Amino acid sequence: EIVLTQSPATLSLSPGERATLSCRASQSDSSYLAWYQQKPGQAPRLIIYDTSNRATGIPARFSGSGSGTDFTLTISSLEAADFAVYYCQLRSTWPPFPFGQGTRLEIK
Amino acid sequence: DVQLVASGGALVQPGGSLRLSCAASGFTFSAYSFNWVRQAPGKGLEWVSYISGRSQTIYYSDSVRGRFIISRDNAENSLFLQMDSLRVEDTAVYYCTRDGAGGIPPFWGQGTLVTVSS
Repeated sequence: EIVLTQSPATLSLSPGERATLSCRASQSDSSYLAWYQQKPGQAPRLIIYDTSNRATGIPARFSGSGSGTDFTLTISSLEAADFAVYYCQLRSTWPPFPFGQGTRLEIK
Repeated sequence: DVQLVASGGALVQPGGSLRLSCAASGFTFSAYSFNWVRQAPGKGLEWVSYISGRSQTIYYSDSVRGRFIISRDNAENSLFLQMDSLRVEDTAVYYCTRDGAGGIPPFWGQGTLVTVSS
């Protein structure tokens, strides 16, 4: 069973700064990595799928990268609307299809 | 527009049963696999179950295997989750999601709240 570990748990930054969120898998798999943004009381919103593809309507300041066991979500210049909780999920070959525990991106 | 509308959430006593539904529209339902994902209050996301397009492949998380049954009706464009022997720890918002892999982005609907309490 693959376990996803996100770091840091909380990231405190100011608008305009660059955010780098990490997601590490306990083992490599021929699988697909997605990133979600969630705000209080809302369903998760897809940001990145297949490691590096931006979902429809997602601004270019969001980018995803990585391979093997190490994946990264980068937000190049933070805007007020970006402060939220971010989850990664691995659509692995075999179940379960794990989520990371989340990174809370908060305003410094 | 693509839509997934989950329903059926309610307050139920421990040991009780509930059936969740998810109505899909805006795409060819039978061509896609689906998942149920849940989120307990104040907690993270947890994958629950998966079903392939023709129901030939079904998976469950360890936490629900033997108690929950996922199913679908392709003629009615609907996904279901039969939940039996419910526990307090099953309390969560349940989301139905269209599976994403290999160039196909996943899609999520709004969730439905299940509360298990006496």
